[in-house]
Amino acid sequence: ETGVTQSPTHLIKTRGQQVTLRCSSQSGHNTVSWYQQALGQGPQFIFQYYREEENGRGNFPPRFSGLQFPNYSSELNVNALELDDSALYLCASSLGGPHTEAFFGQGTRLTVV
Amino acid sequence: GNSVTQMEGPVTLSEEAFLTINCTYTATGYPSLFWYVQYPGEGLQLLLKATKADDKGSNKGFEATYRKETTSFHLEKGSVQVSDSAVYFCALVNYGGSQGNLIFGKGTKLSVKP
Repeated sequence: ETGVTQSPTHLIKTRGQQVTLRCSSQSGHNTVSWYQQALGQGPQFIFQYYREEENGRGNFPPRFSGLQFPNYSSELNVNALELDDSALYLCASSLGGPHTEAFFGQGTRLTVV
Repeated sequence: GNSVTQMEGPVTLSEEAFLTINCTYTATGYPSLFWYVQYPGEGLQLLLKATKADDKGSNKGFEATYRKETTSFHLEKGSVQVSDSAVYFCALVNYGGSQGNLIFGKGTKLSVKP
């Protein structure tokens, strides 16, 4: 059973650009959640996908969007990047739906300059 | 709403010292409580959890007891090692809603000196 894999590990973008982050969930896990972790802070919930449908969203603007594919992998897209979007983005997957244990990837470090 | 408050760090201890990291929560209903650990440059790893009042979670010498009367879930370890140096996050999930998203505290950085 493979773990949760995120790509890329590091990324530098310019303010105003768009970015796509990817997450390959653990085998068979049908739920993926995305979190933003600013420096020195705890992770903040962005949104969750369950069986390809959005299943909840945190307090993030619409320029944060996502997808979950039939193989349960997922993407996080951020449009019109702002300096405050610089953070570690964490993906977590769960096997038995939203109410089961989440396993985290190593994260993607996004820097917006 | 739901929230988690944990003691501010950094916490610096000598090897073999006793560790306590305080965590309190606010939640409606009956949340499940977690401690996660984040080593430098890595994602989060689940350290331990408790799903109902008076449950004790334990792993790798760490323990935490779910205290509903004080809304607390303090992390303890009797004898820390240098390898325990990391950032520790207290978190909750309130399964009363349709989504099972984690709500985290701000984290406590632990440094253990030889």
